[in-house]
Amino acid sequence: EVQLVQSGAEVKKPGESLKISCKGSGYNFATYWLGWVRQMPGKGLEWMGIIFPGDSDTRYSPSFQGQVTISADKSINTAYLQWSSLKASDTAMYYCARLPSKLFMGAFHFWGQGTMVTVSS
Amino acid sequence: EIVLTQSPGTLSLSPGERATLSCRASQSVSSRNLAWYQQKPGQAPRLLIYGASNRATGIPDRFSGSGYGTDFTLTVSRLEPEDFAVYYCQQYGSSPRTFGQGTKVEIK
Repeated sequence: EVQLVQSGAEVKKPGESLKISCKGSGYNFATYWLGWVRQMPGKGLEWMGIIFPGDSDTRYSPSFQGQVTISADKSINTAYLQWSSLKASDTAMYYCARLPSKLFMGAFHFWGQGTMVTVSS
Repeated sequence: EIVLTQSPGTLSLSPGERATLSCRASQSVSSRNLAWYQQKPGQAPRLLIYGASNRATGIPDRFSGSGYGTDFTLTVSRLEPEDFAVYYCQQYGSSPRTFGQGTKVEIK
């Protein structure tokens, strides 16, 4: 069974750094694209970017390029989303989600449970 | 970037009624690369439909998708109590991938 388990909720101050994680199990982690989706409070879904853990090929939405960094460690089946300097506007729920094949194509068939990030002074 | 516009914003219906949700793209979505997701409060989204008309694993057949090009539709033939939720379309035919803003299906 495919499972994506995300790290727990975070409360941070503006300017702080943060790295949240998504651990995959039940499949060959290195060979499936894994993406990140933002949902601000009361708002819709936003596609942030995606990584192929096998070779760390990463694609970003222009809206998020330079704002976050997506990485992965295939040795421990874990992908990451990180910020170097958080802003209050980064307050949101963040989901990781997996594509159905090793191609950069397809809908997100599998989702993590989400990580709530709150940035407040 | 392809912009997806969903309508209506909110749909007020009773259990047993038919729901028809629209997703219109600002430019053609290649190869019917469009998906629909359902999201309930406090839950992660769940894939319903991919490839415009293919039901995902475990999705009941009261959910159906149709359309091509720039106009797509999600239909719920008879609403069950558990179907009241927010629905999002997403295109994955071009980069960046994008989502629609969502349609809320609420109990009338």
